[in-house]
Amino acid sequence: EAGVAQSPRYKIIEKRQSVAFWCNPISGHATLYWYQQILGQGPKLLIQFQNNGVVDDSQLPKDRFSAERLKGVDSTLKIQPAKLEDSAVYLCASSEQGALNEQYFGPGTRLTVT
Amino acid sequence: AQKITQTQPGMFVQEKEAVTLDCTYDTSDQSYGLFWYKQPSSGEMIFLIYQGSYDEQNATEGRYSLNFQKARKSANLVISASQLGDSAMYFCAMSFDYKLSFGAGTTVTVRA
Repeated sequence: EAGVAQSPRYKIIEKRQSVAFWCNPISGHATLYWYQQILGQGPKLLIQFQNNGVVDDSQLPKDRFSAERLKGVDSTLKIQPAKLEDSAVYLCASSEQGALNEQYFGPGTRLTVT
Repeated sequence: AQKITQTQPGMFVQEKEAVTLDCTYDTSDQSYGLFWYKQPSSGEMIFLIYQGSYDEQNATEGRYSLNFQKARKSANLVISASQLGDSAMYFCAMSFDYKLSFGAGTTVTVRA
């Protein structure tokens, strides 16, 4: 069974530029999560989708971050414009509907903002 | 609000010995879940073990066991017979309302 795929694995941009990350969850998983993991900290949930609907985006900085999951499968997370403090690893995870004990993570995208 | 505390930023353990990673949590909810994840240097988060708040027996998965003390609000992870491949970051997490909150993590380094 293929795992959660993410791309790119690494990205370096200058502040005020835009960047987009892509995630393809495990086939059949209805729930998709985006986390931000700043160096030395645990992951923080940014947004949670159930199929193509948003369940929780309370910690998403909506002035600069956006995410979509149009067809209920893969998802993109965008930052526009990026700030230095956005440097982090962005992790995507998926699970069957609400099954937190079966949440599978992708390898992450390491973003460096200079 | 839920809060997870991992007080050990880093630990060293000798190969084949056991190591205990501390985790305390704070919640006023009665129904919740506790998780441990491993994050190797490659970056992916690997699920290790789960304990439900109503589970009376401590969870075990191979060399991993979770020492759940509900009254103390602690959920320590015990790794027995450490292997070099166990060197990684370990995160404790708690679920509430179908979301996970993570602690800051503990780095484990296994020495040969």
